[in-house]
Amino acid sequence: GENVEQHPSTLSVQEGDSAVIKCTYSDSASNYFPWYKQELGKRPQLIIDIRSNVGEKKDQRIAVTLNKTAKHFSLHITETQPEDSAVYFCAASIGSSYKLIFGSGTRLLVRP
Amino acid sequence: DAGVIQSPRHEVTEMGQEVTLRCKPISGHDYLFWYRQTMMRGLELLIYFNNNVPIDDSGMPEDRFSAKMPNASFSTLKIQPSEPRDSAVYFCASRGDVRNTGELFFGEGSRLTVL
Repeated sequence: GENVEQHPSTLSVQEGDSAVIKCTYSDSASNYFPWYKQELGKRPQLIIDIRSNVGEKKDQRIAVTLNKTAKHFSLHITETQPEDSAVYFCAASIGSSYKLIFGSGTRLLVRP
Repeated sequence: DAGVIQSPRHEVTEMGQEVTLRCKPISGHDYLFWYRQTMMRGLELLIYFNNNVPIDDSGMPEDRFSAKMPNASFSTLKIQPSEPRDSAVYFCASRGDVRNTGELFFGEGSRLTVL
């Protein structure tokens, strides 16, 4: 069945360093790849997304890259800050449907 | 808009009891999704609706779970009878026309504990 794998499960970085989270997906027809941030006890919120016709997208300190051939996409956070500490989820649409399948999440800790 | 509104925020019940979770999507959103979040299984899609019609319920774990959307502004997720393994945070999310944005807007979640 459809599957999204996410790595690493936990990531600890020093403030100011970069963080990279990687995901792979199984459905070659997937065309939409969002990233959500969930702070402790809060709801997931969209931070950036990318569609299959684009290879890279950037928004200030965060960027997402997509390799459709290899079926993987990555989240890059530069100049990390303590407020970036949260759980980050990648997701992929299932084919052309409106379903999103989420990865298992990455707990990011930014040490001051 | 106040966003996606869920109730109750917290529910503690005993095994065998019926549980009803409620959701009001953002006005104008055509899609409504129910997700379940646990430490072990992450965010699982249970069911989603388009224009009040259930489109895909393949994620509903078993017959004890049912969901309805009687109108564009209200949906329920019911568990009857509840079991301890149903303990989780249940999120409702809504989305508008995917051609404009694919963003899912989540409610604050309903934390269910079944004793």
